[in-house]
Amino acid sequence: AQKITQTQPGMFVQEKEAVTLDCTYDTSDPSYGLFWYKQPSSGEMIFLIYQGSYDQQNATEGRYSLNFQKARKSANLVISASQLGDSAMYFCAMREIGGSARQLTFGSGTQLTVLP
Amino acid sequence: EAQVTQNPRYLITVTGKKLTVTCSQNMNHEYMSWYRQDPGLGLRQIYYSMNVEVTDKGDVPEGYKVSRKEKRNFPLILESPSPNQTSLYFCASRGLGGTQYFGPGTRLLVL
Repeated sequence: AQKITQTQPGMFVQEKEAVTLDCTYDTSDPSYGLFWYKQPSSGEMIFLIYQGSYDQQNATEGRYSLNFQKARKSANLVISASQLGDSAMYFCAMREIGGSARQLTFGSGTQLTVLP
Repeated sequence: EAQVTQNPRYLITVTGKKLTVTCSQNMNHEYMSWYRQDPGLGLRQIYYSMNVEVTDKGDVPEGYKVSRKEKRNFPLILESPSPNQTSLYFCASRGLGGTQYFGPGTRLLVL
């Protein structure tokens, strides 16, 4: 069974500083994908970054990077140079590639607030 | 523009009155899903579809129906809505092995 854990219900960061949002996962499937989504107050779900379980390097997308530690089963999101517009809820999610074609399993989210 | 659309975006209804939330994607994606989002619970999958005429239950299917008669459309049907189905609903789609993209969400209030 899949499980995603986000242990930080809320985080604060000063504008222009970096912040790390934690995510740990549990799966018995050796082939899986990890995703981060951003949900601003307007409600839409915005895809940020993807990491495959066999990817050798950590994924990066602009100011977003994913600190993937496979042995520890963690996939933390790092946001560099935080901006006020980064204030939002952030969800970590996982999809097992093998087995059934079921879709994403989500964590409970982290509410990030960027302070001016 | 590649997108997933949902309608309506906001809906207030009463217990027992059948409703349908439409979902459409223009990316020729095989996989489509419905999720509901509730405070403290994150997103939970209701139903998913791997292709036309192929659907299966997710984690919380009770009280919902879906159909996939065309590749681009995946409507969510609530035959007899109840107040515990008040939620924020998302439709999503993805291609083979691809990233999942979400619609804008539908806020449903069942009185």
